[in-house]
This record gives sequence, structure tokens and C-alpha cells, in this order.
Amino acid sequence: GAGVSQSPSNKVTEKGKDVELRCDPISGHTALYWYRQSLGQGLEFLIYFQGNSAPDKSGLPSDRFSAERTGGSVSTLTIQRTQQEDSAVYLCASSLAPGQGKPQHFGDGTRLSIL
Amino acid sequence: EDKVVQSPLSLVVHEGDTVTLNCSYEVTNFRSLLWYKQEKKAPTFLFMLTSSGIEKKSGRLSSILDKKELSSILNITATQTGDSAIYLCAVEAPPNDYKLSFGAGTTVTVRA
Repeated sequence: GAGVSQSPSNKVTEKGKDVELRCDPISGHTALYWYRQSLGQGLEFLIYFQGNSAPDKSGLPSDRFSAERTGGSVSTLTIQRTQQEDSAVYLCASSLAPGQGKPQHFGDGTRLSIL
Repeated sequence: EDKVVQSPLSLVVHEGDTVTLNCSYEVTNFRSLLWYKQEKKAPTFLFMLTSSGIEKKSGRLSSILDKKELSSILNITATQTGDSAIYLCAVEAPPNDYKLSFGAGTTVTVRA
């Protein structure tokens, strides 16, 4: 597709379950980002992938969160043993390499609700 | 820590009004400032500003950066109900300029 694609669009799960969120970036974009948007708050950076470089995981809030990007394209964000405070919209973005004056383009997000 | 503050937090206007949104930032280094519009889902890119004093314009929307004042404004003229959205401001600041620092956003409601 032309834009960043995320799935599922909505996910409701019980506390303690694991969830996996998927992001398919724009073709040709080497950089991929995950952000979290909680109600009434700005976007919070989680993790960044650029080509074959080691990802910057400094924004992940706890060791229950992990992400991978296989083949330089699709990425999955996994949250283990979900807690109610994990409820948020998880947004994925992609771009050409940073510093080239090209903006990040966002997907529609996954709305995660933990019961 | 980089800081981005948007004001007002929200506003309600009538169709045809002009709105001005503010974004101020405190960052160690600065590369660019970006504006996004978020309706129901994905934030959509509006403008990227890197040079002070240069106005970027697209239809009824325009934005200008003031690097001396460390701020930017986004103007929307002749507002329409379709302009109702959250407007997000973000800053790129090296060396980790891939980590956009976002403000909390301004919620604009345009009433018919």
C-alpha cells in the first residue's frame, strides 16, 4: 500500500496476556519508529530501527516491551504480561533516513485496551 | 530533556474564523520543527520548518518558525468543520533527531 499499515486496528485483552502489534512501513523507507499515545498526552517515543543498525530501545517503558524488525521491513511490537497502564494507542511511523529533511509518516495505530 | 509546549490546549471557533496555534520548545540542539494534524487516527504531516522567518503555506494553513524566540505558530484561516482535529507540534533535535519530541497537542473544534 501507499501508507504505513498497522494491525490490528483495535485489540482488547485481559490483564496478564501477551499482545503482538504489527507495522508494515512505506516501501523504501529505511527508518521505522514506534510511539505510544495515551489519552490527553503527546506521543511518547518507544523504539527506532534504521537499516541494519542496532535499534534504539531507550524509550521502551519496561522489559515487558520488545520489538523486532525482520528483513528491514515489517516490525512487531510485543507486550508481555500486559497491565492496565499499557492501554493506549500504539503508532508506528516510517521515513527515509533521519536528517535528510524528510518527515515521519504515521499509520492509523492500534488501540490497545487492557481489561 | 527536550521540552515542547503547545498552547492553547483546546479552542472552539465558528466556521470562517481564523485560529492561531502556538508551539514553543526547549532543546539542546535544533534541526527542525514539524506540524501534524490528527483527526480520528493517523497524524498526517503538514509542515516541516528548519529556517527561521520562512513561512510555509498550504491552502488556508500556514506556519512560521522563530528560532530566536524558540517558537512556531500555525495559522488556519477561513476555518471549516473539516479543520476540527488535534494539531501536534514536534521537534527534531540532534544527535538523536529521529526521536521526535511532541507537545501534548491543541484540540481545535470548528462549529458550523
